[in-house]
Amino acid sequence: GENVEQHPSTLSVQEGDSAVIKCTYSDSASNYFPWYKQELGKGPQLIIDIRSNVGEKKDQRIAVTLNKTAKHFSLHITETQPEDSAVYFCAATVGGGSYIPTFGRGTSLIVHP
Amino acid sequence: DTGVSQNPRHKITKRGQNVTFRCDPISEHNRLYWYRQTLGQGPEFLTYFQNEAQLEKSRLLSDRFSAERPKGSFSTLEIQRTEQGDSAMYLCASSRDFNEQFFGPGTRLTVL
Repeated sequence: GENVEQHPSTLSVQEGDSAVIKCTYSDSASNYFPWYKQELGKGPQLIIDIRSNVGEKKDQRIAVTLNKTAKHFSLHITETQPEDSAVYFCAATVGGGSYIPTFGRGTSLIVHP
Repeated sequence: DTGVSQNPRHKITKRGQNVTFRCDPISEHNRLYWYRQTLGQGPEFLTYFQNEAQLEKSRLLSDRFSAERPKGSFSTLEIQRTEQGDSAMYLCASSRDFNEQFFGPGTRLTVL
């Protein structure tokens, strides 16, 4: 089955800095890659996603890049704010059939004011 | 649209007891998923429904676990003869077809 590795496990930045979280996946059949933000006591919330026919996608301060050849994808957050502090999860989904995502282990992002 | 709701939010039980969790998906979402999340891990898939049909179960779902979605609306997840290893956050998510999954706040289970 699919295996998703996520790094780093913890990321500490100063407000205004950029943050980058990287993930790799193993199944070349994966074609949908969502990123989730999970705040304490809440369920994960989708913040951005990318499909395999696109190399990059941007939404305001958040961007995701995908390298299908290398089987890795990354989340970039610019101009970080304290409210960006949360746990971020990447996921990879094999297309067709069940469409069940495999999640990484998460990155705890801490943005210091 | 009130989002996905889960009840109870917290459950403490003694080993060997049975527990049942409920998930109310976003109305008109035909797919409903159950996940388990332990500390320091991402959500792990347990099972999913399309309407009332349970289409896939993970090998994580032992025979002590059972899930139902009568009438294709809310869903229940029951754990029989709970074990300490069952302690986790149980997350429910729903989606319309193969679109974005919306997660509920989860039910935190503690087995003493």
